[in-house]
Amino acid sequence: AQSVTQLGSHVSVSEGALVLLRCNYSSSVPPYLFWYVQYPNQGLQLLLKYTTGATLVKGINGFEAEFKKSETSCHLTKPSAHMSDAAEYFCAVSDDFGSEKLTFGTGTRLTIIP
Amino acid sequence: DGGITQSPKYLFRKEGQNVTLSCEQNLNHDAMYWYRQDPGQGLRLIYYSQIVNDFQKGDIAEGYSVSREKKESFPLTVTSAQKNPTAFYLCASKNPFYGYTFGSGTRLTVV
Repeated sequence: AQSVTQLGSHVSVSEGALVLLRCNYSSSVPPYLFWYVQYPNQGLQLLLKYTTGATLVKGINGFEAEFKKSETSCHLTKPSAHMSDAAEYFCAVSDDFGSEKLTFGTGTRLTIIP
Repeated sequence: DGGITQSPKYLFRKEGQNVTLSCEQNLNHDAMYWYRQDPGQGLRLIYYSQIVNDFQKGDIAEGYSVSREKKESFPLTVTSAQKNPTAFYLCASKNPFYGYTFGSGTRLTVV
């Protein structure tokens, strides 16, 4: 079974600094991988998804992620943090795009320091 | 605009009561899902339905029930058998090409 590990349940960065949120998965077969953002008491919004092809994926709101098969990782980055980026971020994987099951990480809460 | 509507946003349940959470979508998606979210645990799959009149248990189905009588609707009932129902519940639907769309959630509290 797939598992997803998000390192750091809470991350704080200063406004304008680099955002790096870490996600590692356990699979011998490269999965489909998704990053979602959740604002308080809201649903999840898709930031980006990795399916096949280019390993550097650009998402919405200036976020991007690099899929590294050799490290079984897909860390989320943003060059310059904005106050509006404060939210919880979830990494999720599935065995294929049509899979009925997404396996979620436990989430990372991002705080932006003014 | 197409989307998923969950209601109510906040729900309070007394011990021993059943409650039903509503989920409606106008995206014409075949597949619908219910997830439970607890702090520090991510999202866990309760039930899912790939087609009308059919549904399957997810990882934590005990104490929950669902129905799928219409394509647009996938209500979740939290029964008295669910011993720890306080959580945030998220409904989602899926397009096979574009992936998942989530509702804005229902926060259930046992009082």
